[in-house]
Amino acid sequence: QKEVEQNSGPLSVPEGAIASLNCTYSDRGSQSFFWYRQYSGKSPELIMFIYSNGDKEDGRFTAQLNKASQYVSLLIRDSQPSDSATYLCAVRTDRGSTLGRLYFGRGTQLTVWP
Amino acid sequence: DAGVTQSPTHLIKTRGQQVTLRCSPISGHKSVSWYQQVLGQGPQFIFQYYEKEERGRGNFPDRFSARQFPNYSSELNVNALLLGDSALYLCASSSPGSNQPQHFGDGTRLSIL
Repeated sequence: QKEVEQNSGPLSVPEGAIASLNCTYSDRGSQSFFWYRQYSGKSPELIMFIYSNGDKEDGRFTAQLNKASQYVSLLIRDSQPSDSATYLCAVRTDRGSTLGRLYFGRGTQLTVWP
Repeated sequence: DAGVTQSPTHLIKTRGQQVTLRCSPISGHKSVSWYQQVLGQGPQFIFQYYEKEERGRGNFPDRFSARQFPNYSSELNVNALLLGDSALYLCASSSPGSNQPQHFGDGTRLSIL
């Protein structure tokens, strides 16, 4: 059973702060890692993906991957109230019958207060 | 370019009925995946299709079936609906290549009475 665990929320930060979202996964064969943002009642929206160990930055977002520790995180700098949403961590193994399939965590609800 | 489009957006059915959900991928995308998301949970994988062939199946009963058409659009069928089938059904498409991210449509919200 491939599991993806996210830090329990809800997470609440003030506007302008750094929000840190964490995710661990059980399958060492995992190859691709994704962060999706989901507003209430809406569908998931891709915001970041990372395949190699280290950091990947895109605007206010930084994804960090440590395959040895089976850990992936998302940092949101200068958090804005519009960042308030549920953040879903997804993992893909790209092997055999699981090719292309995403395994999701339950999500972490983030609230950014003004 | 248009994103992934799903229809209908909302659907209300009663127990025992059958439902068909539709999905059109992003132009140029040949892979379509279906996910079920119940309230408070992350999406759960149902099926993946690539070039009209089933490439993966999640842990769902045989009441769930799908197919992909020559234009890469896809249908998800669910028979003998149960109350527990109430969920947001998401379709995602991706371009060729195993490292390509999946992009989701707006989903179909299915309510079973």
